[in-house]
Amino acid sequence: GAGVSQSPRYKVAKRGQDVALRCDPISGHVSLFWYQQALGQGPEFLTYFQNEAQLDKSGLPSDRFFAERPEGSVSTLKIQRTQQEDSAVYLCASSQFTGTGGRFEKLFFGSGTQLSVL
Amino acid sequence: TQLLEQSPQFLSIQEGENLTVYCNSSSVFSSLQWYRQEPGEGPVLLVTVVTGGEVKKLKRLTFQFGDARKDSSLHITAAQPGDTGLYLCAGASGGSYIPTFGRGTSLIVHP
Repeated sequence: GAGVSQSPRYKVAKRGQDVALRCDPISGHVSLFWYQQALGQGPEFLTYFQNEAQLDKSGLPSDRFFAERPEGSVSTLKIQRTQQEDSAVYLCASSQFTGTGGRFEKLFFGSGTQLSVL
Repeated sequence: TQLLEQSPQFLSIQEGENLTVYCNSSSVFSSLQWYRQEPGEGPVLLVTVVTGGEVKKLKRLTFQFGDARKDSSLHITAAQPGDTGLYLCAGASGGSYIPTFGRGTSLIVHP
């Protein structure tokens, strides 16, 4: 498809289980962002890739969270030993390029993966 | 930590009414974006404002960027049920290229 694709749409995990969330960005988009959105809140930044390079991971809440984009296209967000507080919608966004100086390009978001940890 | 404060948090109005939502910060932004998010979907960009004092119109939606580039507003004229959704502002400051989002304003327009 032409848009950002995320899978799975819904994931139910038992506490302590590992999960992997996938993001297929728009072809050719250099920048890829992961955000976490709790119910009733705005998206919170997790990590940013420019091609295969992870340039910023300051938003990852703990060392249980890990993200990769090995070939500069598809990205995977992995959460180890899930906890109930990890329950949220995980959004992926891509853009053609994000420059410096605080100006950024249009972000194209996927529909998200809703993670529920029981 | 949200650097952008949005108000009101919730808004429930009747079709045909006008409304304004606000996005405020103590930081100066080089540019600011407004998104609308519907349930079960990701945010969709409505507009980007770049210049202080800039006003942009998108049909019944009017966006304004403050002169000091610290705040922005979104005004909707004659709201329709299709305007229902979560309105988010996003900006990057201090040379960062990572967009930070506000908490959003949840709008419900009743027919």
